[in-house]
Amino acid sequence: AQTVTQSQPEMSVQEAETVTLSCTYDTSESDYYLFWYKQPPSRQMILVIRQEAYKQQNATENRFSVNFQKAAKSFSLKISDSQLGDAAMYFCAYSEQETSGSRLTFGEGTQLTVNP
Amino acid sequence: ETGVTQSPTHLIKTRGQQVTLRCSSQSGHNTVSWYQQALGQGPQFIFQYYREEENGRGNFPPRFSGLQFPNYSSELNVNALELDDSALYLCASSLANRGYEQYFGPGTRLTVT
Repeated sequence: AQTVTQSQPEMSVQEAETVTLSCTYDTSESDYYLFWYKQPPSRQMILVIRQEAYKQQNATENRFSVNFQKAAKSFSLKISDSQLGDAAMYFCAYSEQETSGSRLTFGEGTQLTVNP
Repeated sequence: ETGVTQSPTHLIKTRGQQVTLRCSSQSGHNTVSWYQQALGQGPQFIFQYYREEENGRGNFPPRFSGLQFPNYSSELNVNALELDDSALYLCASSLANRGYEQYFGPGTRLTVT
């Protein structure tokens, strides 16, 4: 079974600084998707960024970028120019490359605090 | 475009009772997945519905059951509630050919006393 591990229960960053959240996963598949989701206190799970395993180029979305190391099964999230609104629980998630029946496997989450 | 909605927002039930949670998919989405998120943990996959049939199930007992209706809305039913069923229940919808793009609702907070 696939597993996702986030070893940092809590992280903090100063406003405008950069922070990196870590994630490792275990799978025997060669094609899959990796995600970072943000869950603010409102509880709504929001997709931050997605990476397809077959793509060598790291995904970027504005201030958010990933470092995808397929051989090491590592998938970290870098948040640049951190803003107060970035404070939330962040979940790393994995999905197999299926067109139907896809299920997300989540890590335990990292609580990010942004200090003014 | 209407997002995923869930009802109710909060619910308190007594151990042994039954509960029904509801989810309306995002417009155009025909696949619905349900997740259980215990306090301080990541969501756990319960099951998924596509074309009104269960299309994958996680490690949850049969007292967790679901339905999907022709308009793609969905229900999660839990029988014989246990204290450990207290959690946030999240619904996510997607298109069948893009199952990896799941859009989540705000969740229903269930408390079992």
